[in-house]
Parts: sequence; C-alpha cells; structure tokens
Amino acid sequence: DGGITQSPKYLFRKEGQNVTLSCEQNLNHDAMYWYRQDPGQGLRLIYYSQIVNDFQKGDIAEGYSVSREKKESFPLTVTSAQKNPTAFYLCASIRTGNLSGYTFGSGTRLTVV
Amino acid sequence: RKEVEQDPGPFNVPEGATVAFNCTYSNSASQSFFWYRQDCRKEPKLLMSVYSSGNEDGRFTAQLNRASQYISLLIRDSKLSDSATYLCAVILNTGGFKTIFGAGTRLFVKA
Repeated sequence: DGGITQSPKYLFRKEGQNVTLSCEQNLNHDAMYWYRQDPGQGLRLIYYSQIVNDFQKGDIAEGYSVSREKKESFPLTVTSAQKNPTAFYLCASIRTGNLSGYTFGSGTRLTVV
Repeated sequence: RKEVEQDPGPFNVPEGATVAFNCTYSNSASQSFFWYRQDCRKEPKLLMSVYSSGNEDGRFTAQLNRASQYISLLIRDSKLSDSATYLCAVILNTGGFKTIFGAGTRLFVKA
C-alpha cells in the first residue's frame, strides 16, 4: 500500500546536536511538507518542496534544514541553532495541483535531553 | 488575529448527542477547506473536504459559509470512537497554494 513513512518514531537529542528526521513516500506525490506541532497549537509549516531539488522556507524555518534530492524523500535536519526543538514533527505530501487534503506520515516525537 | 481559529474546547457530550464545531478564517483568498481528525499522539487524518454546497458523509456534515468566512462540522449520533481532536484546514491561493491549520477542537464522547 502507498503511504508516507517517517522514522524514527521517537528521537532524543542532546543539547548542541544535529539530528535528521526521515520522510519517505511512495505515493508519487510531487509536493512534500514538514510541520511542527506543539501541545495545544496548530501545525506550523517548517519547509516545503514542490519539485525535486527545490524547496522553500515555511513560517518557522530557522534552525532547520532540508534537502529534496529524490521525489520520494524529504529529510529534515534539526540543527543546534533550533533552541526549542522538542515537538511532534509531521511530514505530509500531496500531488501538485490537486487541491485535496494531505497525506501525513505517523510523525516523529523529538525530545531534547 | 490568527488566520484560522477554532474553539479549543473540550466539548464533552454523551453518546448519541449531536455536536457542532465552527472554524473561522480571515483570508478572503481561502480557496479550499478541510476537516481532519487527530487522535492523541497520532497524525491527522483527512476526515472530509468541505464543498460550497455543503456535503455529508454518514453521520458527518460539513458546511461552508463564505459570506461569514467560516466552516462547520456537525456530528450526529456521537460515538465513543468519535473522541478526538478535529482540525480545520484552509488552502490559500496567494500566487502559490498554502495550507493553514487551526489549532483544533477537542471532543470527548462519554457513555
């Protein structure tokens, strides 16, 4: 079955450490997105990519980086510059031009220790 | 003012009750509208799109009021399994397409 796979499910980061969250989809979707969700808040857009080798900053891109070398993959790196990274990170995808809803991965819960 | 606003709740209702949530949006460039369901510590899942003429899917009815800039979700005959957080989402067409999510409304259905 097609879908989006995020890994790991849980991730612990030490202060000053960079960590990378994986997101892979086999839906043949063009556009991929990274959101962050904090308790009691809506999803906030970190980065998105409409096509391979191209991506744009979202509303809260500072302290994060991404790459889109393959259509299927959109990894997110949480750098040491992100001062408050503890959150639930969600990857989503959609076929470009299709104004239907997103398909989300199951999320990665990142905690700073 | 947030671009998309929802009453956070929680809404506590008995089984079998009818419950309705509203979601207001501020940007007139809003083009498409959706309701998602999110269970605790899980990802959001698309519940239904919201069409201009209103649409129904079983016990769920979604409506759009463009004049007053809100969408609504009505759940009839509530089940225990309907307990979740309901997120509204709005796609803006501002040269490119951007999706804005509300913070969600929590629903607890009790026996």
